[in-house]
Order: sequence, then C-alpha cells, then structure tokens
Amino acid sequence: GAVVSQHPSRVICKSGTSVKIECRSLDFQATTMFWYRQFPKQSLMLMATSNEGSKATYEQGVEKDKFLINHASLTLSTLTVTSAHPEDSSFYICSAPRDGTPRSGYTFGSGTRLTVV
Amino acid sequence: KQEVTQIPAALSVPEGENLVLNCSFTDSAIYNLQWFRQDPGKGLTSLLLIQSSQREQTSGRLNASLDKSSGRSTLYIAASQPGDSATYLCAVIDNAGNMLTFGGGTRLMVKP
Repeated sequence: GAVVSQHPSRVICKSGTSVKIECRSLDFQATTMFWYRQFPKQSLMLMATSNEGSKATYEQGVEKDKFLINHASLTLSTLTVTSAHPEDSSFYICSAPRDGTPRSGYTFGSGTRLTVV
Repeated sequence: KQEVTQIPAALSVPEGENLVLNCSFTDSAIYNLQWFRQDPGKGLTSLLLIQSSQREQTSGRLNASLDKSSGRSTLYIAASQPGDSATYLCAVIDNAGNMLTFGGGTRLMVKP
C-alpha cells in the first residue's frame, strides 16, 4: 500500500520548452507532497512542499516561477519546469507521507530523469 | 537546523559479510527515522521506519537501531548479497512531522 506513481520516468526536451511531471497517490490521500531534486551521486535536495488547495512553499534558492507546483486534488500533484535549460537537467522525485500521516513514514515516486538539450 | 551525516560514504565488501551503516543527526528532537534504499536511476524504497519511542526495527536480514539521545542510528545488514548493492539513505523526520532531512547516503557494493 501507500504507492506514489510518478510519470514520466524519463523525458528529453528542447531548451526553452516546458515539462510537466505528475505524481499520483494511488491508494491513499496525499494532502502534502514534497518535491526533491537529485544531482548525480548526491543526496536529495528538497525543492518545495505542496499542499492540496493552497500555494506551494518553496525552499530558499528555488525559483517558484520556474518550478510551478500544483496540488489540485488529494491524489495529484504536478511539477512543471518552465522554459527549461540544460542546467535544469536532473532527477526529480516526489514524496508523500504514507497514508497521509508522517507517523507511517514517507513513500516516494520512482523519479523522473529530465534531460534538457 | 537538523543535519544528518552518514558514514561511510562508500563501502565495498565481499558477499556474505555482515555490515553496519551509520547515520548521525544533530537534533535529537525527531519524530521518527526512516532508512531507504536507492538503486541507480530509481526512486527510493523504504526499508525500515523507526518511531522516536522505539529502539530498533527488523525486516529479514536488516536491522535498524535508534539511539535518539546520542543522535545515532545504524543499519545492520546480515549475510550481504550482490543484490544488496545500492545507495542507502537515512532520513529523519522533524518533531512537527513535516520534513525529511536526508543524509548523504552510503554507496554499498557487494562483490560476488
């Protein structure tokens, strides 16, 4: 149980275009979704926290106009990388508290490898 | 601000060895601690979750311990196998239960 489905797993896009990444909680309600970025051989860096029905909270140094987060329902959160550039190439992962409560720990999506050419 | 450190950063062992991965955190006021496994290019798979009131959790060949007062957790892997090769990450959840702070991970290679 407590599965987060993330799509796409890989995407290659041209510089200047936008890419949308989706994370769906399949068998529980995710009122909160965390979005991370991971560079090669490094740990996860929290980018932002999205809450259903309200604006996302961004970590310091993360451009909210570049990384648009929408959490329109209890089961879907999206991250849109706008006007992507090669430096945005990275591995993006979403996470939510299992069963909607941190007491049960966190579950992660399978990640999206973004390559901007 | 919570800081999580994992030692060693990388480890290579022959198959069959028992091994210990270490995780330390600076703020002992944690809600719980979670160990994950990450295979290259993949997401994170949860291995064990320890509540702040617990001392250890076991799952198969894995045993995780927690000493909250000293800010330490260990992940013990018994009889290691090549399939255990991956990066192991520990993460602590703050007392508000809102945020995961990750360690840098330990890259484990188990050689046949």
